[in-house]
Amino acid sequence: AQKITQTQPGMFVQEKEAVTLDCTYDTSDPSYGLFWYKQPSSGEMIFLIYQGSYDQQNATEGRYSLNFQKARKSANLVISASQLGDSAMYFCAMREGRDGGFKTIFGAGTRLFVKA
Amino acid sequence: EAEVAQSPRYKITEKSQAVAFWCDPISGHATLYWYRQILGQGPELLVQFQDESVVDDSQLPKDRFSAERLKGVDSTLKIQPAELGDSAMYLCASSFDSYEQYFGPGTRLTVT
Repeated sequence: AQKITQTQPGMFVQEKEAVTLDCTYDTSDPSYGLFWYKQPSSGEMIFLIYQGSYDQQNATEGRYSLNFQKARKSANLVISASQLGDSAMYFCAMREGRDGGFKTIFGAGTRLFVKA
Repeated sequence: EAEVAQSPRYKITEKSQAVAFWCDPISGHATLYWYRQILGQGPELLVQFQDESVVDDSQLPKDRFSAERLKGVDSTLKIQPAELGDSAMYLCASSFDSYEQYFGPGTRLTVT
């Protein structure tokens, strides 16, 4: 079964507008973390934002915010005021505990295209 | 700003040949990860080290892949023999704890 599901293979957004990238997850671990990474065409993975399962407030980092809906197991990324440089692949990931350690699982990604 | 270093950035090899990738994590990061990312997919963990010890290699094809981190600092991932299906991006990451992972630029492998 998919642990991380990103249902949008591709998304288009007009420059300066906001966009939401969807992510749902599946875990029975009460303690987990959710991440979003950006991967430009150059290939490196860039950390954007983190949300812990016990965090009461939604995480925010500049133009990025994470819409965390725990009951729905949803962790959508919201990018406000999109810029041309935001065009990239975006990956949702979950860290969950196992055997005393942690493992991070990535979704399949969403490719975002920002239009001028 | 400290970065994770990887080399080579690109590698083309023929099937059945041996290939090796190197990763130097950020200084002080005890945890080191090797991921494989097939085109169009998310990264998949191959092996995770805590210092010099392997803590997870459940997805590592051990008949052909090996990884080591002898002194708990830099690491080498080896494939022998390479197969066509090994063509992918190989990403190395490190973390101080299990929170944020810092990724290197990756090695793009093409097996012909």
